[in-house]
Amino acid sequence: QKEVEQDPGPLSVPEGAIVSLNCTYSNSAFQYFMWYRQYSRKGPELLMYTYSSGNKEDGRFTAQVDKSSKYISLFIRDSQPSDSATYLCAMDLTDNFNKFYFGSGTKLNVKP
Amino acid sequence: DAGVTQSPTHLIKTRGQQVTLRCSPKSGHDTVSWYQQALGQGPQFIFQYYEEEERQRGNFPDRFSGHQFPNYSSELNVNALLLGDSALYLCASSLVQDHYGYTFGSGTRLTVV
Repeated sequence: QKEVEQDPGPLSVPEGAIVSLNCTYSNSAFQYFMWYRQYSRKGPELLMYTYSSGNKEDGRFTAQVDKSSKYISLFIRDSQPSDSATYLCAMDLTDNFNKFYFGSGTKLNVKP
Repeated sequence: DAGVTQSPTHLIKTRGQQVTLRCSPKSGHDTVSWYQQALGQGPQFIFQYYEEEERQRGNFPDRFSGHQFPNYSSELNVNALLLGDSALYLCASSLVQDHYGYTFGSGTRLTVV
C-alpha cells in the first residue's frame, strides 16, 4: 500500500466550475500537508500548505486537512483554463527534514 | 532572482552507462534534495544534501549517489543504468528545516535505451 493515494484522473471541468481534489494517506504521523501544481515539462510549484489539521484559504484556493480521516482536499473556485495542470499532494513528518511523500498526481483540464 | 537550475534538460543514455546530473539551488538556499518522477507518477525522494553531506536517503540503491559542493550546488550520479531509471529527475532547494520553502527545478529528462 502506498503511503499517499491520489486519484490520477484525468478530471475535466468547464470554466468557472468548482474543483475538488483529494488525497488519502496511511501514516498518522504526517504533520505537514502541501499541494503542488505541475505544468507539462515543468517542475512542481508550491500552491498551498497547512500544518496539522484545519483549513487554509488563499484567493480561489482552499486546502483542508482532516487528520481523523487521513484525508486532505484542495478546492479551486471559479476554475480557469490556466488551472489546467497536474496537482500533486505532498506530506512530511515533523522531523523528517523535508523528505516529502507525494501522491501520484491528478491531471485537471479546465475547458473554456 | 534565478530559481533552481538543472542541466542538462534532456539526456539519452544506454543501459549500463553512467550519468551525472547537475543542480544549482535558488540563491540563499543551503539544502538540495533530489527526486525521481516516473511518467504518470509523483516524485519519489532519492536523497538530500546539507553542508556537503547526505542527510536523508530514500529507498534507492547504491547506484544512486550524490555530492554537494561548497557553493551548495549538487550532482546526482547514477551508475549501471537500467531501463527503469528512465524518468524526470527533479532537484529541489530549500533552507534547512523550512518545510514550505521547497523550490523545484524544471528537471532533467533521462531516457535509458
